[in-house]
Amino acid sequence: GAVVSQHPSWVICKSGTSVKIECRSLDFQATTMFWYRQFPKQSLMLMATSNEGSKATYEQGVEKDKFLINHASLTLSTLTVTSAHPEDSSFYICSALSGTGTEAFFGQGTRLTVV
Amino acid sequence: AQSVTQLDSQVPVFEEAPVELRCNYSSSVSVYLFWYVQYPNQGLQLLLKYLSGSTLVKGINGFEAEFNKSQTSFHLRKPSVHISDTAEYFCAVGTSGGSYIPTFGRGTSLIVHP
Repeated sequence: GAVVSQHPSWVICKSGTSVKIECRSLDFQATTMFWYRQFPKQSLMLMATSNEGSKATYEQGVEKDKFLINHASLTLSTLTVTSAHPEDSSFYICSALSGTGTEAFFGQGTRLTVV
Repeated sequence: AQSVTQLDSQVPVFEEAPVELRCNYSSSVSVYLFWYVQYPNQGLQLLLKYLSGSTLVKGINGFEAEFNKSQTSFHLRKPSVHISDTAEYFCAVGTSGGSYIPTFGRGTSLIVHP
């Protein structure tokens, strides 16, 4: 199956700093990628849909100025958490939509801890 | 709009026993259905999917699911579980045609006891 690589797997940062998370489709081109946030023992919450070459579409309640998404190429989307605070600590997961549009392939997730 | 309901938040079971994880969905259009497994601190791995055709779908690790349109269900089953099946399982639905954005259920924690 298709592979999506997410980096880093773990990151600890100081409050007030920014953190960038990368999501790469390794063996296919992904026009559309999704970014999710997952709280402990809960389901995935869709944050935004990232489309190559255009602005991301954010879900209601997600601050676009805080969670910057860039999808500059068909194989890379990035999520930057700006001015991170402890409440931003969470598990962030990306996924990339297959070329047929019938399946989403997931990255391994990034555990962000803001101290 | 579409939604997914996983009725059981936690399912404890003994090793080698059968298990069924329930999933019901609602959608006004035709759907694609998926089951994913998530191990601690990892992303999601696809177990199986229903796009069309046979309503009984077989996936990896001995899992299977049956699409029941009349009951709008897509329950996941395994005849004999292993300790290693202990994980979080998510049912997801996506609409066929148009833009596909998967909607996830809240997840079911499968706990296999020795």
